[in-house]
Amino acid sequence: KAGVTQTPRYLIKTRGQQVTLSCSPISGHRSVSWYQQTPGQGLQFLFEYFSETQRNKGNFPGRFSGRQFSNSRSEMNVSTLELGDSALYLCASSFGSGVRDIQYFGAGTRLSVL
Amino acid sequence: KQEVTQIPAALSVPEGENLVLNCSFTDSAIYNLQWFRQDPGKGLTSLLLIQSSQREQTSGRLNASLDKSSGRSTLYIAASQPGDSATYLCAASHYYSGNTPLVFGKGTRLSVIA
Repeated sequence: KAGVTQTPRYLIKTRGQQVTLSCSPISGHRSVSWYQQTPGQGLQFLFEYFSETQRNKGNFPGRFSGRQFSNSRSEMNVSTLELGDSALYLCASSFGSGVRDIQYFGAGTRLSVL
Repeated sequence: KQEVTQIPAALSVPEGENLVLNCSFTDSAIYNLQWFRQDPGKGLTSLLLIQSSQREQTSGRLNASLDKSSGRSTLYIAASQPGDSATYLCAASHYYSGNTPLVFGKGTRLSVIA
């Protein structure tokens, strides 16, 4: 069974640009969560999608948005990039609730904002 | 607001030693607690999940315990090997809807010296 796939693995952008990251969950999983990981703040929750609906949202500005498609694949978008958005962005999938079920993580997308 | 703390931030041990990693959380109303492993530049690998009704879980040389009343979890690694070198993160999940699915500690970076 294929694991969680995140694309691209690496991205370099400049301030003010926007970026879209993609996550394909494990087959059969309906929940996708996104996290931002930085050396200073650690892992912080961005949002969770379940059956195309945003179920939970973390404390991030509106520049961070996401969506989930009918095949459970998810995308995350960051508009008007800032230097502080440089981070490893991790996606996790689970069969049901991200609260109850084991979450399986992808390898992440490393975003560098110059 | 839940806070998860892991002490120490880094640990270095000789090969073969048994060791304990600590995780504490401020809100005992958790649904479960997960331990993850992260290798440099990689995503997270789930090691063990302990439901709130359980006291411990075991997988091979790993044993995780949970004491909700004291807000603590430990990960015991027996007979450590150089391949165990990684960052270990614990994460607590909450039952209440609308909350962050997982709140992470900042991790303990483990080095096992051959």
